[in-house]
Amino acid sequence: EAAVTQSPRSKVAVTGGKVTLSCHQTNNHDYMYWYRQDTGHGLRLIHYSYVADSTEKGDIPDGYKASRPSQENFSLILELASLSQTAVYFCASSDAREGNQAPLFGEGTRLSVL
Amino acid sequence: QQQVRQSPQSLTVWEGETAILNCSYENSAFDYFPWYQQFPGEGPALLIAIRSVSDKKEDGGFTIFFNKREKNLSLHIKDSQPGDSATYFCAAIDSGYNKLTFGKGTVLLVSP
Repeated sequence: EAAVTQSPRSKVAVTGGKVTLSCHQTNNHDYMYWYRQDTGHGLRLIHYSYVADSTEKGDIPDGYKASRPSQENFSLILELASLSQTAVYFCASSDAREGNQAPLFGEGTRLSVL
Repeated sequence: QQQVRQSPQSLTVWEGETAILNCSYENSAFDYFPWYQQFPGEGPALLIAIRSVSDKKEDGGFTIFFNKREKNLSLHIKDSQPGDSATYFCAAIDSGYNKLTFGKGTVLLVSP
């Protein structure tokens, strides 16, 4: 069954610490995305990738890095976590074919930075 | 600049009624519009989607009406049930970039 799996599902981090969120997809999709969700803001795109070993900046990339070592895996890295990065993070993957581009989402990672 | 707008922010309907959720956009390059349903503690789940070459898409009790000239669309949920209570997101894709832009969502409550 096609899926997007995120780990961890929740995490508490200290301000200034490094955080890595991981995502694995079994959909054989070319595109992968990282979104954050905050109350009142909906979902906002942080980084995305359309091929392994390449990443692109989304709409709110500051304070985040991304890594796509393989087609299946996509990580989001917070080098110096800050209080403002407390949010729920969603990974998604999508097909590039026209009419099939709607991303499929994982269950999310709830990050609390203290 | 908010490229995808949803209204209302929240909506309450009675069980059995049709709920109507609205969405408008600014970017003429958007050509694919998925709607997502999200329950608390879960990720957004794809509900139904429409391409800009169509003006209507139906799937079960869910229907999208699309007006390209006015740059707006609406999701109709027919015979709403309490289990349809969730947050609904309208999204838009420019196929040239394959990036999804979300609206801020409509919280739907279906009262029994």
